[in-house]
Amino acid sequence: EAGVTQFPSHSVIEKGQTVTLRCDPISGHDNLYWYRRVMGKEIKFLLHFVKESKQDESGMPNNRFLAERTGGTYSTLKVQPAELEDSGVYFCASSQVRVAEQYFGPGTRLTVT
Amino acid sequence: SQQGEEDPQALSIQEGENATMNCSYKTSINNLQWYRQNSGRGLVHLILIRSNEREKHSGRLRVTLDTSKKSSSLLITASRAADTASYFCTSNSGYSTLTFGKGTMLLVSP
Repeated sequence: EAGVTQFPSHSVIEKGQTVTLRCDPISGHDNLYWYRRVMGKEIKFLLHFVKESKQDESGMPNNRFLAERTGGTYSTLKVQPAELEDSGVYFCASSQVRVAEQYFGPGTRLTVT
Repeated sequence: SQQGEEDPQALSIQEGENATMNCSYKTSINNLQWYRQNSGRGLVHLILIRSNEREKHSGRLRVTLDTSKKSSSLLITASRAADTASYFCTSNSGYSTLTFGKGTMLLVSP
């Protein structure tokens, strides 16, 4: 069974540019989560989808971040415009049952210069 | 918040030694989980222990849970260089999303 996949694995962009991260959850997992780890800090929750609906987006830092999950399959996280403080590793996770064991993807390392 | 706080922040040992790291949380939980992150890689789920369990084993891993002290410990026995990673605990009370601490960075030297 394929795990959670994320693309790209690493992205380097300049301040002010736009970046879109993609997450493909494990097939059949209705719950999809985005997390972020900024250098040296905790892994922080960003938002939670149940199928295509945003269940909880309380962790989204500001309106420069837009997450979508059209059709309830893969999800995208767009940062526009990117700022230096957005640099970090963005993790995606999925689970079959809400808050059950979450399976994490390898993460996307975003570097904003 | 169900945030887990790991202790110590960093641990350096030799191969073959045991490594123990601790985690504390704030409120009552349904379960507590430990994850590992190798450098440049994603989070890997290690073990889940439910609130009615006191100890759980998985290979070289042993996890204990003390709900009266709101703490958990992860013991890695006979450590290997490949165990070098950051270790995180996270707990949930059923409907909250996972919240992580800063983790314990374990370095196992050959």
